[in-house]
Amino acid sequence: AQSVTQLGSHVSVSEGALVLLRCNYSSSVPPYLFWYVQYPNQGLQLLLKYTTGATLVKGINGFEAEFKKSETSFHLTKPSAHMSDAAEYFCAVSDGGTASKLTFGTGTRLQVTL
Amino acid sequence: EAGVAQSPRYKIIEKRQSVAFWCNPISGHATLYWYQQILGQGPKLLIQFQNNGVVDDSQLPKDRFSAERLKGVDSTLKIQPAKLEDSAVYLCASSLRADSYNEQFFGPGTRLTVL
Repeated sequence: AQSVTQLGSHVSVSEGALVLLRCNYSSSVPPYLFWYVQYPNQGLQLLLKYTTGATLVKGINGFEAEFKKSETSFHLTKPSAHMSDAAEYFCAVSDGGTASKLTFGTGTRLQVTL
Repeated sequence: EAGVAQSPRYKIIEKRQSVAFWCNPISGHATLYWYQQILGQGPKLLIQFQNNGVVDDSQLPKDRFSAERLKGVDSTLKIQPAKLEDSAVYLCASSLRADSYNEQFFGPGTRLTVL
């Protein structure tokens, strides 16, 4: 069975500061990993995904994540936070097979302060 | 391109009542998903359709929840009778095909409150 752990349900950063949202996964097969963002009263939007190949993945809005197999991690980063980044972020894993079932973490709410 | 549409956006009912949610996926998307997102948790898959057939409904509480996707396009999720613990946001998503390469596009969700 797959699972995702997101450390920190709330993260607060100053505008312009580094954003680091942590995600660790558990999977019995090579995982596919995803980060989604959810703005208030909206559905989830895909930020980036890792399937195979390059372990550093770049996504939309300046976000990137690095797949580290040895650490079973897929942390999300952004060099400089913007007020518009305030949202809830979800890490998810799938088994990469023909089925596309996603298992989500519990989410991290990012607050950006002036 | 129009996104995934859901209605209603909000619904308040009393326990033991029934409720139905509707989803219209992106045109041409063969795969449709219903997720339940309880406050403070990540979305949990309830059921996955490939065209009008069920691929995975292992986490659907079948004694009270039902879903259908007639003609392989729109889908309806029903709860009968509702319980307090069903209060959640119900998200519909669609993808071109049922594999992990394909991005799932999410609708805005229906927020259900059971009193």
